[in-house]
Amino acid sequence: EAQVTQNPRYLITVTGKKLTVTCSQNMNHEYMSWYRQDPGLGLRQIYYSMNVEVTDKGDVPEGYKVSRKEKRNFPLILESPSPNQTSLYFCASSLGQNTGELFFGEGSRLTVL
Amino acid sequence: KQEVTQIPAALSVPEGENLVLNCSFTDSAIYNLQWFRQDPGKGLTSLLLIQSSQREQTSGRLNASLDKSSGRSTLYIAASQPGDSATYLCAVRPTLGRGSTLGRLYFGRGTQLTVWP
Repeated sequence: EAQVTQNPRYLITVTGKKLTVTCSQNMNHEYMSWYRQDPGLGLRQIYYSMNVEVTDKGDVPEGYKVSRKEKRNFPLILESPSPNQTSLYFCASSLGQNTGELFFGEGSRLTVL
Repeated sequence: KQEVTQIPAALSVPEGENLVLNCSFTDSAIYNLQWFRQDPGKGLTSLLLIQSSQREQTSGRLNASLDKSSGRSTLYIAASQPGDSATYLCAVRPTLGRGSTLGRLYFGRGTQLTVWP
């Protein structure tokens, strides 16, 4: 089954404790992207990757890092999480940067205390 | 910067009604526009993708139109059902060379639809 898988789905952590949210897709997609969704602000793009070893900033990259060492994986790294990073995070992928539908993961709800 | 607006923010209708959800965008230089559905606590499910060269796309009871020159898209839902209750979002991908970069994607804030029996 074609899918985008995120882990963990739910996480409560404390300020400053490094964490990684993993994202994996099984569709051989070139394009992958991370978004955060906050009430009243909608979905905002954090980082995206157009292929292996190619990443770029979205609208709200501060406090986040990403890497794209393999085509299927695009982890989101919070080196020193802060309470303002409490949010619902989504990973998405598509065949190319402008090709095909965008497929989303189920989301990861992160709470930073 | 591209801005995407969805009106109305919320809509509540009885079952069986035909509905129109609106999406407008400020920069007409788009590559494509995609409509999504989001159920509470879930991810986004793609409904329809319209390329900039297309005028409309249809899937079952859903029809999406695109008027690039006026910066508008509409999602038409025929014979609405309670199972259609969800938040509907539109997103646009800008074209290269207009102060934006390939790979960017801009979302509206969605229309929360409730269809009651």
